[in-house]
Amino acid sequence: DAGVTQSPTHLIKTRGQQVTLRCSPKSGHDTVSWYQQALGQGPQFIFQYYEEEERQRGNFPDRFSGHQFPNYSSELNVNALLLGDSALYLCASSFRGRVNEQFFGPGTRLTVL
Amino acid sequence: AQTVTQSQPEMSVQEAETVTLSCTYDTSESNYYLFWYKQPPSRQMILVIRQEAYKQQNATENRFSVNFQKAAKSFSLKISDSQLGDTAMYFCALARSQGGSEKLVFGKGTKLTVNP
Repeated sequence: DAGVTQSPTHLIKTRGQQVTLRCSPKSGHDTVSWYQQALGQGPQFIFQYYEEEERQRGNFPDRFSGHQFPNYSSELNVNALLLGDSALYLCASSFRGRVNEQFFGPGTRLTVL
Repeated sequence: AQTVTQSQPEMSVQEAETVTLSCTYDTSESNYYLFWYKQPPSRQMILVIRQEAYKQQNATENRFSVNFQKAAKSFSLKISDSQLGDTAMYFCALARSQGGSEKLVFGKGTKLTVNP
């Protein structure tokens, strides 16, 4: 049984570019949450997708957007990249948004130059 | 607003000894979950232990146990018989337990090093 998978593992972009990160949830899960973890910090909640809709959003600008597909996989898009967007982006999946049964992926390390 | 504070940026312990990591939190909710996550250098966030606020009994998972003091809003993690593989960042996290779509609120973490 595959757990949560994310791609790519690492990514280097320059300021002003756009990036798309991908996440496939654990088998049987239908909810995907995205977190941003800056260096030396704890993860911060970006948003959550369930039934192909954004259900909850953290304190992130509109440059951060997402999508969920019918197979429950999800994408995180960031436009007009800033140096401060450099971070580890974590995806977590669960069934019906149950936070006590949430599993994390290995993350995507984004570096903005 | 919910907040989580971990006041120990770094800790170290000798192999086979016991170490306690501290966490305090603030929430106005009556029903919530508390978690300890481990993040080794591989970056994968792994759930170590969780506690439901309405349960008075402290959670235990093998060598890991918590001391949950609800009135003091304190949630410490005790690791017994520390092993080299316990070396990692440890994050305390909080989430409401009502309904779905609940987010985790994390502390800044404690870097634990287990020395041989």
